[in-house]
Amino acid sequence: QSVLTQPPSASGTPGQRVTISCSGGASNIGKNWVYWYQQLPGTAPKLLIYRNYQRPSGVPDRFSGSKSGTSASLAISGLRSEDEADYYCVTWDDSLYVVLFGGGTKLTVL
Amino acid sequence: EVQLVESGGGLVKPGGSLRLSCAASGFPFANALMTWVRQFPGKGLEWIGRIKTKSNGEAAAYGAAVKDRVTISRDDSKNTLYLEMNSLKTEDTGIYYCTTGDSGFAHWGQGALVTVSS
Repeated sequence: QSVLTQPPSASGTPGQRVTISCSGGASNIGKNWVYWYQQLPGTAPKLLIYRNYQRPSGVPDRFSGSKSGTSASLAISGLRSEDEADYYCVTWDDSLYVVLFGGGTKLTVL
Repeated sequence: EVQLVESGGGLVKPGGSLRLSCAASGFPFANALMTWVRQFPGKGLEWIGRIKTKSNGEAAAYGAAVKDRVTISRDDSKNTLYLEMNSLKTEDTGIYYCTTGDSGFAHWGQGALVTVSS
C-alpha cells in the first residue's frame, strides 16, 4: 500500500481531457515538490512534470501538473492514443526520509 | 547524449547477493547525485536509495525496505555507480534502474533484471 495514493486506472477517448490524482500527507506532498513520470510499455519511466508543474523540454503542453495542499494532479488534454501508459507521482517525505512513489495509474485511451 | 547502462543482473538464489553497475556517459558524472530505483513484476516502483557527490561526502540514503541490506557507492574515475545488495529474497525480484537526480529523475538506464529464485 503506497503512502501516495493514485487511482489504479483512468480512461478517456481521443481529444478528451483526463486528470490523474495523487493524494499524500503533510510530510510529503504537503511540504515538497511533486514529480510525474510516464512509463510506456517495455520502457523506463520518463520525467513528465517536475517541481509540481514544470515541463522538461520536449514534453508537450498537453501535459500539466498542479498541487494543492496534500494532493497533486496530472492533467492530459487533447488525449492521444500514444498517451496510453502508466503514470506515477513522486515526492520526498520529510518524516520517512525517503522518496515516495505513487502506486501508478494505468491510462487507457478508448 | 546522456547514457546510463546497467549491468550485473541475472538469477540469484535466495540468501545470495548481487552487485549491479551503472556506467554513465554524456554528462559530468562526478557532479551528479545518483539514485537506484527498482520496479516489481506487478509494476510498482520503489526508491532504493541515492548517493551524493564527493563534494557532499558521497552521503548515501536508503529506503526502509532495503537499508540493512544495501550499499550504494560510486567510482567517479570510472563514471560508474554501484549497488550491492545481500540476503536477497524472492520479493527483491524486479528491474533495477539507475537514474540521475534526487526526485526529479531526468535520465534512466534501460534497467537490469534481477530474479531471485531457487
